[in-house]
Amino acid sequence: GENVEQHPSTLSVQEGDSAVIKCTYSDSASNYFPWYKQELGKRPQLIIDIRSNVGEKKDQRIAVTLNKTAKHFSLHITETQPEDSAVYFCAANTGANSKLTFGKGITLSVRP
Amino acid sequence: DAGVTQSPTHLIKTRGQQVTLRCSPKSGHDTVSWYQQALGQGPQFIFQYYEEEERQRGNFPDRFSGHQFPNYSSELNVNALLLGDSALYLCASSLSGIWNEQFFGPGTRLTVL
Repeated sequence: GENVEQHPSTLSVQEGDSAVIKCTYSDSASNYFPWYKQELGKRPQLIIDIRSNVGEKKDQRIAVTLNKTAKHFSLHITETQPEDSAVYFCAANTGANSKLTFGKGITLSVRP
Repeated sequence: DAGVTQSPTHLIKTRGQQVTLRCSPKSGHDTVSWYQQALGQGPQFIFQYYEEEERQRGNFPDRFSGHQFPNYSSELNVNALLLGDSALYLCASSLSGIWNEQFFGPGTRLTVL
């Protein structure tokens, strides 16, 4: 089955700097890759996603890139703010109606 | 438009007991997936319900069972609770046939003593 890995497990950046979080996946049939943000004690919230037919997607300060050949995808956050501090999960699935396989999460800390 | 709701928010049980958790999907969604999130881990897929049937199942024992009702709401039942079942149980809803955007509820925090 699918295996999704995230590295590193923690990331600390200075406010205003950029943060990049990387994930790798194992199943070449995976074609949908969402990113979730989870603040302490709250639900995971979908912040951006990408499908296998595109290589990059942007939404204001957030972007996601996908490299299908290398089977990895990355979340890019520019101009980080303290409210970006949270746990970020990447996930993958093999298409509509299929389960999401999550990575273990990365704790992003933005220092004021 | 109400998002995904879950009840109860917290639950404390003892080993061997049984528990039922409930989920109401986002308006317009017909598919409900359940995930278990242990502390410090990513959510792990338990199973998915569509048209009142279990469509997919993850690597969880038969002690975990579920149900979906005609109004698309869903229940997760866990029998013979173990200490290791302590976790946050998340429900996610989506619309079948569409790229699988899943929206999560706030979760139920289950503690097994």
